[in-house]
Amino acid sequence: ETGVTQSPTHLIKTRGQQVTLRCSSQSGHNTVSWYQQALGQGPQFIFQYYREEENGRGNFPPRFSGLQFPNYSSELNVNALELDDSALYLCASSFGSDGYEQYFGPGTRLTVT
Amino acid sequence: SQKIEQNSEALNIQEGKTATLTCNYTNYSPAYLQWYRQDPGRGPVFLLLIRENEKEKRKERLKVTFDTTLKQSLFHITASQPADSATYLCARENSGGYQKVTFGIGTKLQVIP
Repeated sequence: ETGVTQSPTHLIKTRGQQVTLRCSSQSGHNTVSWYQQALGQGPQFIFQYYREEENGRGNFPPRFSGLQFPNYSSELNVNALELDDSALYLCASSFGSDGYEQYFGPGTRLTVT
Repeated sequence: SQKIEQNSEALNIQEGKTATLTCNYTNYSPAYLQWYRQDPGRGPVFLLLIRENEKEKRKERLKVTFDTTLKQSLFHITASQPADSATYLCARENSGGYQKVTFGIGTKLQVIP
């Protein structure tokens, strides 16, 4: 087990609603990356936060936003939920932003109805 | 955009044999590639990272190679065991790009007793 925790474990939301997912990084790690994983697919990079600043972003619309806090924990916010947002959301922490192994949390399973 | 291709078909091998999984990438060689293991409903677990200037890396029964000519990484599990059954993900970094990491779809390995 890694030291990365995510909450909640499962979540059911209705189309159009907003959701906030939380991630606590492993002790000593200053970088958090968020991924979306649809069933049968690999994780898709959403964005990365390094020392509280967004340090990279994948092909996701602006309704996906995030934050990193001084203790390096992080939040992922998704506005105006769509059915296609149903997926496993993973966060991963690492010691740096490039060239370091990532330690993943167990994920949050989001279902949008 | 940078792509990672993994054989999406499942790989079935007999216990005790060596499993070899393939990861092909497009465009420029990444500074490093990472391999992860993922069990159903859980977050990926980091296994190995190999840098562009490293031809081969080993960790216990695992070995990964990086061939920049073929644009390919091979992941080997020797003396495979049923407990090795899982999905194995390959990921490349995208240095200089804002989309930091690209994962493949993963290859499902089934080790038959």
